[in-house]
Amino acid sequence: AQSVTQPDIHITVSEGASLELRCNYSYGATPYLFWYVQSPGQGLQLLLKYFSGDTLVQGIKGFEAEFKRSQSSFNLRKPSVHWSDAAEYFCAVGGYGGSQGNLIFGKGTKLSVKP
Amino acid sequence: KAGVTQTPRYLIKTRGQQVTLSCSPISGHRSVSWYQQTPGQGLQFLFEYFSETQRNKGNFPGRFSGRQFSNSRSEMNVSTLELGDSALYLCASSLAGGISLNEQFFGPGTRLTVL
Repeated sequence: AQSVTQPDIHITVSEGASLELRCNYSYGATPYLFWYVQSPGQGLQLLLKYFSGDTLVQGIKGFEAEFKRSQSSFNLRKPSVHWSDAAEYFCAVGGYGGSQGNLIFGKGTKLSVKP
Repeated sequence: KAGVTQTPRYLIKTRGQQVTLSCSPISGHRSVSWYQQTPGQGLQFLFEYFSETQRNKGNFPGRFSGRQFSNSRSEMNVSTLELGDSALYLCASSLAGGISLNEQFFGPGTRLTVL
């Protein structure tokens, strides 16, 4: 069955430090992969997506992610975290089979930023 | 271009009642998907509509239903509410067809509390 695993429930980093959030997926073919961010009480905002081509994708707010097929991973990175990045981050996979209308989400990683 | 809008933003109901939530997609988007978000289960797909037809459905009981109108606006209904239905209900819209279907844009959600 298709699934997404985000191993880290909660991560705390210092402002200005680098960040990497992990995401592993289980999928039978080339997945469509996404990272979303959710601030408290808000909906989800798309950070970046991978459909095909270059495995390093750039997103908004200085985020990037790298697709590694051999590791079934799509980790999110940012070189220098800002206090405003504190939020919950969700990795998602979509487009499997004929069910193109839904995304499968990981459980999320909550990011806290220390001043 | 206006984003996805959801009404109401907050709702309090009692067990046994029914509720209707509304979603207006981004102009030009023809697909609307609904998700339930709870602390325990995370984000779970409810159903997806395109051109007034339900194309895909998640694993939820029949108490959860939806529909889509000719202007792509969508409603979801939950009948005979249970305490466990308390959640944030998110609506997402996307363009029709092909790979673009998977890029979903989310509304702010409706927070439903069942007492």
